[in-house]
Amino acid sequence: EIVMTQSPATLSVSPGERATLSCRASQSVSSNLAWYQQKPGQAPRLLIYGASTRATGIPARFSGSGSGTEFTLTISSLQSEDFAVYYCQQYNNWPLTFGQGTKVEIK
Amino acid sequence: EVQLVESGGGLVQPGGSLRLSCAASGFTFSSYEMNWVRQAPGKGLEWVSYISSSGSTIYYADSVKGRFTISRDNAKNSLYLQMNSLRAEDTAVYYCARDGGWAAHFADYWGQGTLVTVSS
Repeated sequence: EIVMTQSPATLSVSPGERATLSCRASQSVSSNLAWYQQKPGQAPRLLIYGASTRATGIPARFSGSGSGTEFTLTISSLQSEDFAVYYCQQYNNWPLTFGQGTKVEIK
Repeated sequence: EVQLVESGGGLVQPGGSLRLSCAASGFTFSSYEMNWVRQAPGKGLEWVSYISSSGSTIYYADSVKGRFTISRDNAKNSLYLQMNSLRAEDTAVYYCARDGGWAAHFADYWGQGTLVTVSS
């Protein structure tokens, strides 16, 4: 099983600032990596797939990069609606596995 | 508009059974692979099971293998999860999620989830 490790666990950021979230895979997942956003009481929402492709309707301030074992989600200028928990997920191998999440909170 | 609506959750005793359903609309259900993903209270996301568009290919997480059965009825645009021998650690919100397809097994649409509580 591929283990996905996200860092940091919590990121405190002021509105308008940049946020950088990391995700590391225990073995190569190529570019088969997705990012999700989840707000309290809501289902997750797909942000990024293929490591760097934004899903339909996702604002350009969200960007993904990386391949192999190291991945990054960048939110260029945090808006109030971006404070949430973010998960990465690999889909290169079964079982599908998620990171433990990074909570982005208001500083 | 893509919609996924789960139902069937509730309180069940350890060792009991429950069947979850997911009603799909707004897309050609029979063309899409589907997944179940769960989230224990206050915890992260855990993939549970996958089924191909025809139902011919199925995968399970080790944690549920032999106890849970995924199935689908394309004529009824519905996905199911039969859960047997339930344990306390199966307590979670269960989400039905549409697969990206073509070996791109991310979840592009999610239902609102249904809560399963396993407790005596």
